[in-house]
Amino acid sequence: NAGVTQTPKFQVLKTGQSMTLQCAQDMNHNSMYWYRQDPGMGLRLIYYSASEGTTDKGEVPNGYNVSRLNKREFSLRLESAAPSQTSVYFCATGTGEGQPQHFGDGTRLSIL
Amino acid sequence: ILNVEQSPQSLHVQEGDSTNFTCSFPSSNFYALHWYRWETAKSPEALFVMTLNGDEKKKGRISATLNTKEGYSYLYIKGSQPEDSATYLCAFGVVYNFNKFYFGSGTKLNVKP
Repeated sequence: NAGVTQTPKFQVLKTGQSMTLQCAQDMNHNSMYWYRQDPGMGLRLIYYSASEGTTDKGEVPNGYNVSRLNKREFSLRLESAAPSQTSVYFCATGTGEGQPQHFGDGTRLSIL
Repeated sequence: ILNVEQSPQSLHVQEGDSTNFTCSFPSSNFYALHWYRWETAKSPEALFVMTLNGDEKKKGRISATLNTKEGYSYLYIKGSQPEDSATYLCAFGVVYNFNKFYFGSGTKLNVKP
């Protein structure tokens, strides 16, 4: 039982490159989330999806796009990476009914 | 953006000490409060779900209380052990959006043997 799987685990990009972070879940949860974690700032919500076919902005959406491909998968795309997007990115899932979220292991992204 | 504050930012205690820290959140539109434990190089794991004013939850040496009227929750650790070293996060949920939770920046606990 994998839970929430993020790929890749590590990535180094050059400024201006694009990439997509993948997240897949086998929890059968309706809601999926993308967070970034920066030192001293906890978890900040980038985008979330309450159900298949819907997405909504979080606190820090600028520079990112998302796609909820189906119930299992929620991807995060950086179209033109900037050094300010260097961070650890976490995908999470939830029932959408106030229960705690389940997190993936994170993707450490460095942009030079 | 709702403000969820955690204090202190970090805490260093000796093995055997008891400790507590605070999560403050808006006192209106409360739906639920979650506590998570986040070990270094791992992902956050849920500790408690708290929904009612006056709730008290306990798991082993760790307990939590909730005051929704004044907008705070306390997490207590009795007799801290080195394996309790982690960052403790709280997340606040609102009644008008069951999908969205607002996270504090965490309290980083270091327990010295």
